[in-house]
Amino acid sequence: QKEVEQDPGPLSVPEGAIVSLNCTYSNSAFQYFMWYRQYSRKGPELLMYTYSSGNKEDGRFTAQVDKSSKYISLFIRDSQPSDSATYLCATTTQGGSEKLVFGKGMKLTVNP
Amino acid sequence: DTGVSQDPRHKITKRGQNVTFRCDPISEHNRLYWYRQTLGQGPEFLTYFQNEAQLEKSRLLSDRFSAERPKGSFSTLEIQRTEQGDSAMYLCASRVQGSGNTIYFGEGSWLTVV
Repeated sequence: QKEVEQDPGPLSVPEGAIVSLNCTYSNSAFQYFMWYRQYSRKGPELLMYTYSSGNKEDGRFTAQVDKSSKYISLFIRDSQPSDSATYLCATTTQGGSEKLVFGKGMKLTVNP
Repeated sequence: DTGVSQDPRHKITKRGQNVTFRCDPISEHNRLYWYRQTLGQGPEFLTYFQNEAQLEKSRLLSDRFSAERPKGSFSTLEIQRTEQGDSAMYLCASRVQGSGNTIYFGEGSWLTVV
């Protein structure tokens, strides 16, 4: 079992739709959770960063963490064609290894 | 542009040749990371530096791979005797110690081994 599981999709939605992206993780030591957006042949770009369980909102993006079920989500409201990219969840431990553990990434296409 | 800079962006090499990638982190970022990403996969951690010291290495970093950060600024990643399985995007990232885990990635260096 991989430490972070993410459905690779692809996912195709119409413009304006609400998008839900999800990951599960297996290691209880993971304390920090991130979502990255990666456009084709580019490096990942940090979107959201959360530490505790609960919700964090930034504009059209909401990150949700449920540590009890080891489940993390990213919601995109009013999706736009410019949101078309691969979304990667990532996590790391607190005060331990410096490495980020990534999911496979979900390829999202928002159709105009 | 003050982001993480990587060079070259693309490299095609024949199997068995050596290649070297360079990374210039964001100024004053004392932590520097190398990741590898293959098609359809998320990035995988290779190694990281705090200033010039290499503090952690993944088991993915075989003895054909070596990374340096001689003056605590730019870093190089060298792959010796390349194999087709080395074909991937090599990503460099950096952050300031104490900034949480908000690391910033470069655009990556694509390697194709033929």
